[in-house]
Amino acid sequence: DGGITQSPKYLFRKEGQNVTLSCEQNLNHDAMYWYRQDPGQGLRLIYYSQIVNDFQKGDIAEGYSVSREKKESFPLTVTSAQKNPTAFYLCASSPGRLNTEAFFGQGTRLTVV
Amino acid sequence: AQSVTQLDSHVSVSEGTPVLLRCNYSSSYSPSLFWYVQHPNKGLQLLLKYTSAATLVKGINGFEAEFKKSETSFHLTKPSAHMSDAAEYFCVVDGAGNMLTFGGGTRLMVKP
Repeated sequence: DGGITQSPKYLFRKEGQNVTLSCEQNLNHDAMYWYRQDPGQGLRLIYYSQIVNDFQKGDIAEGYSVSREKKESFPLTVTSAQKNPTAFYLCASSPGRLNTEAFFGQGTRLTVV
Repeated sequence: AQSVTQLDSHVSVSEGTPVLLRCNYSSSYSPSLFWYVQHPNKGLQLLLKYTSAATLVKGINGFEAEFKKSETSFHLTKPSAHMSDAAEYFCVVDGAGNMLTFGGGTRLMVKP
């Protein structure tokens, strides 16, 4: 089945550690996105990529890093520089053309312990 | 620049009564507008989208929304709420270059 897969579903991290969240899509979409969701704050854009080997910072990129070496994959690393990383992270992809919707993964809940 | 305001953070209705979730937007371009639904600890699912065709858009699960350019609104409605409609709803605008801007979300509660 075509879709977008995030893993793991739940992730625990000790303070001071880097952790990488996986996002894979088999929809042949050009654009991919990472959002952070906190209670009562909607979704905030962390990074996005509109083509392989290229990505741009979103509204809250500090403390995060990404790569886009393959069209299908857009991993997000939460670094120790991110002061408050506990949140629900959502990955999305879209064809990259106008007037098309984004497709979302099921999310990863990251908890710092 | 573009922005989205969902006017109610929480809406509570009784089962079988109408649902109205309000959304206002601003955009420098002719926007595409979307409503997504999110159940707890899940990803977002597309309910419906407006892309400059008919101003009244029908979506899944009996939801519909009307694009009103003069009011810069895109309110989501459903004639009769069901318990399974309880979720969080997001209004989203895509004004240019596939950059999606999300509203803050509206949590819909349905009472039996």
